Amino acid sequence: GAGVSQSPSNKVTEKGKDVELRCDPISGHTALYWYRQSLGQGLEFLIYFQGNSAPDKSGLPSDRFSAERTGGSVSTLTIQRTQQEDSAVYLCASSREWADTEAFFGQGTRLTVV
Amino acid sequence: GQQLNQSPQSMFIQEGEDVSMNCTSSSIFNTWLWYKQDPGEGPVLLIALYKAGELTSNGRLTAQFGITRKDSFLNISASIPSDVGIYFCAGQETGGGADGLTFGKGTHLIIQP
Repeated sequence: GAGVSQSPSNKVTEKGKDVELRCDPISGHTALYWYRQSLGQGLEFLIYFQGNSAPDKSGLPSDRFSAERTGGSVSTLTIQRTQQEDSAVYLCASSREWADTEAFFGQGTRLTVV
Repeated sequence: GQQLNQSPQSMFIQEGEDVSMNCTSSSIFNTWLWYKQDPGEGPVLLIALYKAGELTSNGRLTAQFGITRKDSFLNISASIPSDVGIYFCAGQETGGGADGLTFGKGTHLIIQP
C-alpha cells in the first residue's frame, strides 16, 4: 500500500478482554516496528520484525503482550487480559530494511481499556 | 539506557514567528531524526541527520546535528497555522534499525493567529 495502515483506529475494550491490533506495512518494507505512546510521553519501543522474525522481544511490557508477522507483511499485536494501564496509542512503523533508520508510521490505534 | 531531553515542552507563538526547539542526550548519537505528529495521526519524518555538524533544510524547517553529537535543534521559520502539532526528536547511538531509536517527549507547538 501507499502508506502504513493500522486497524482499528480506535478500540474501547473492557478490562480483562483480549484485543488484536493490526498493521499493514508499506509494500516491500521488510522491517516492521511496534511502539506505544502514552499521553504526554514519547514513543516506547515494543518489538520489531525483520521479515517474519522478531529478534528482540524484550521491549514487550509483560507476557500479556505478543506479536506476530506473517508472509513478511501484516503484523498483529495481541494484548491478553487487558488492564487499564494498557490504554495508549499503539503505533506501527515500517522501513525498507532493518538498517534503514527512517521509519514510516501508521496513524495508530487508540486503545482505551475501561 | 540513554536519556534524551527535549525542550521546550510546549510553545505558544504568534503566526509568522520563528520557532526553535532542541534535544540533548546523555550519550553520543550517530543519528538524529525529527518527526511531527498531528492529532490522531502517526509521526511523520521531517528531517534526518547522520553526520556531526550537518545542517539540513526542508522548506521552512532547518535542523542541525550538534558537533558534540549529543544535541540537535530544529528551527521553523515564519510559522503558519499548519505547523501546529507535536514535534519529536529521536536519536540512535549505533547503526541499525528504528528499534534502536530513543524518542524525546515532544514539543507541543501552538500558534495563535
